[in-house]
Amino acid sequence: GAGVSQSPSNKVTEKGKDVELRCDPISGHTALYWYRQSLGQGLEFLIYFQGNSAPDKSGLPSDRFSAERTGGSVSTLTIQRTQQEDSAVYLCASSSPRGSGPNTEAFFGQGTRLTVV
Amino acid sequence: AQSVAQPEDQVNVAEGNPLTVKCTYSVSGNPYLFWYVQYPNRGLQFLLKYITGDNLVKGSYGFEAEFNKSQTSFHLKKPSALVSDSALYFCAVRDILTGGGNKLTFGTGTQLKVEL
Repeated sequence: GAGVSQSPSNKVTEKGKDVELRCDPISGHTALYWYRQSLGQGLEFLIYFQGNSAPDKSGLPSDRFSAERTGGSVSTLTIQRTQQEDSAVYLCASSSPRGSGPNTEAFFGQGTRLTVV
Repeated sequence: AQSVAQPEDQVNVAEGNPLTVKCTYSVSGNPYLFWYVQYPNRGLQFLLKYITGDNLVKGSYGFEAEFNKSQTSFHLKKPSALVSDSALYFCAVRDILTGGGNKLTFGTGTQLKVEL
């Protein structure tokens, strides 16, 4: 597609349930990022995938959070046993078309608004 | 480790006046620097970037930013603010020598409010 696509756009879930958030990056982009934005807050880095390298998971807040990127394209962020403090907008971004360096900007999706009730 | 600081949570300016949104950074090597804007209920949009060359870079919607290596700053500026510029602005940095690939680190954001 033309841009980064995230689904669902909104998700309401009960505390304790698992959720999966999906990100379709721009075709050919080798880098993929997940960030979390709580109401009125800045961007909290969660995880970063770069090509075939091991992902940088240093931002994941707990072991309830995990992410994978299959075939170097689509990524899924999974939150297990959701808690109310997990409520936020989860943003995905991609950058770096194949053959490019680190000087390219990241393009963001519209985000998934997660509400845990 | 790389980091970005946006010292002002909010900046208020009158329409027609110049605006500045401040950003300072810390990296081990040389930085690639970016500004993004987020309008209410919208995703982040890229405004401009500094990679190399001229310290003054120009971007979308009449915005520009000045890279100052000695002060490790990359302040966002616009000569004449518009009410429609009111939004949340994020500065971001990528350290090209960390060996960590293309990891992009964001500041906490600055809310810009332009009033008539």
